[in-house]
Amino acid sequence: DAGVIQSPRHEVTEMGQEVTLRCKPISGHNSLFWYRQTMMRGLELLIYFNNNVPIDDSGMPEDRFSAKMPNASFSTLKIQPSEPRDSAVYFCASSHERGSGYEQYFGPGTRLTVT
Amino acid sequence: KNQVEQSPQSLIILEGKNCTLQCNYTVSPFSNLRWYKQDTGRGPVSLTIMTFSENTKSNGRYTATLDADTKQSSLHITASQLSDSASYICVVSDYAGNNRKLIWGLGTSLAVNP
Repeated sequence: DAGVIQSPRHEVTEMGQEVTLRCKPISGHNSLFWYRQTMMRGLELLIYFNNNVPIDDSGMPEDRFSAKMPNASFSTLKIQPSEPRDSAVYFCASSHERGSGYEQYFGPGTRLTVT
Repeated sequence: KNQVEQSPQSLIILEGKNCTLQCNYTVSPFSNLRWYKQDTGRGPVSLTIMTFSENTKSNGRYTATLDADTKQSSLHITASQLSDSASYICVVSDYAGNNRKLIWGLGTSLAVNP
């Protein structure tokens, strides 16, 4: 299995621009998580999907952030408009809930820089 | 407030030496505790997962311990190797049987020098 796939790996954009991050979970996994990681706050859960349905979006910082999961093999995280404080590494993770000891498998991350 | 605190924040050791990383948590109710290894520029990878009834769990040269009474965990690395240089993150789940809500520590940055 290729593992969780994220694209792009790096994104540099100017303040005010729209940013779209993409994720392909591991085939057969039915839960998908979006995280943000910074030095100051560590890993923070933004939103969690189960069977393509958003279950918990309480971690989404504000309305500028939105996430979708149109099918079991694809999800997007969009920031519009982007701001410098959004600069971070964004991780996508998937899990086969109720299996594998509830383990989450992480993608390589997208490093976002907003200037 | 549910929290996970790790110490030390960073650590430098020589190759071949042992080290122990600490994790204290105030998460309640407790479901399980995990240790993740995160190499620079990569996503976290699970090392161990322990439930309330497990005191010790090993994964090769990594041994995790859990004291649910004192709410403390440790990760012991034996005979360290250069490839052990990474961030080690302690994560506690506060939903029984559910991995949706995890409380993440900030990690311990370990550098193994030759």
